[in-house]
Amino acid sequence: AQSVTQPDIHITVSEGASLELRCNYSYGATPYLFWYVQSPGQGLQLLLKYFSGDTLVQGIKGFEAEFKRSQSSFNLRKPSVHWSDAAEYFCAVGPSMNRDDKIIFGKGTRLHILP
Amino acid sequence: DTGVSQNPRHKITKRGQNVTFRCDPISEHNRLYWYRQTLGQGPEFLTYFQNEAQLEKSRLLSDRFSAERPKGSFSTLEIQRTEQGDSAMYLCASSLARGQGSYEQYFGPGTRLTVT
Repeated sequence: AQSVTQPDIHITVSEGASLELRCNYSYGATPYLFWYVQSPGQGLQLLLKYFSGDTLVQGIKGFEAEFKRSQSSFNLRKPSVHWSDAAEYFCAVGPSMNRDDKIIFGKGTRLHILP
Repeated sequence: DTGVSQNPRHKITKRGQNVTFRCDPISEHNRLYWYRQTLGQGPEFLTYFQNEAQLEKSRLLSDRFSAERPKGSFSTLEIQRTEQGDSAMYLCASSLARGQGSYEQYFGPGTRLTVT
């Protein structure tokens, strides 16, 4: 069955420090992969997506993610975090060759920023 | 504003009452999805429509839940005889699908339901 694992429930980093949020997926073929961010009381905003091609994808707000097929991973990175990046981050997977395109989300990683 | 909108944003109801939520997708989007998000969890898929056709329903969608998209535009999600376990954030998303595969889904702000 398709699944997404985000092993870190909470991550705390200092403002200006680098960030890496981990995501592992289980899927039979090459999936479509997404990272979403959710601020308190807000809906989900798409940060970036991977469908095919270059395995390093750039997103909004200075985020990037790298697809590693051999590790079934799609980790999110940012070289220098800002206090406004404090939010919950969700990795998600969607099927690549199916008319059914529901997205399966991980449980999320809450990012805390120290001043 | 051309984003996905949801109403109401908050709903408090007593157990046993019926509630209905509305979602207005981005106007040119043909697919509309409903998800449920409980505290500390990621969103879980409930159902989705392509135009007015409901193409899939999750097993999470019990008989008390019904969703419609009568004219292929806005959608409603109704919960009958609400239970405390229905308390959650209900998220709507829309996408423009032109063929097979996943498409970028745009999410609304959600409706937070509290059942007392």
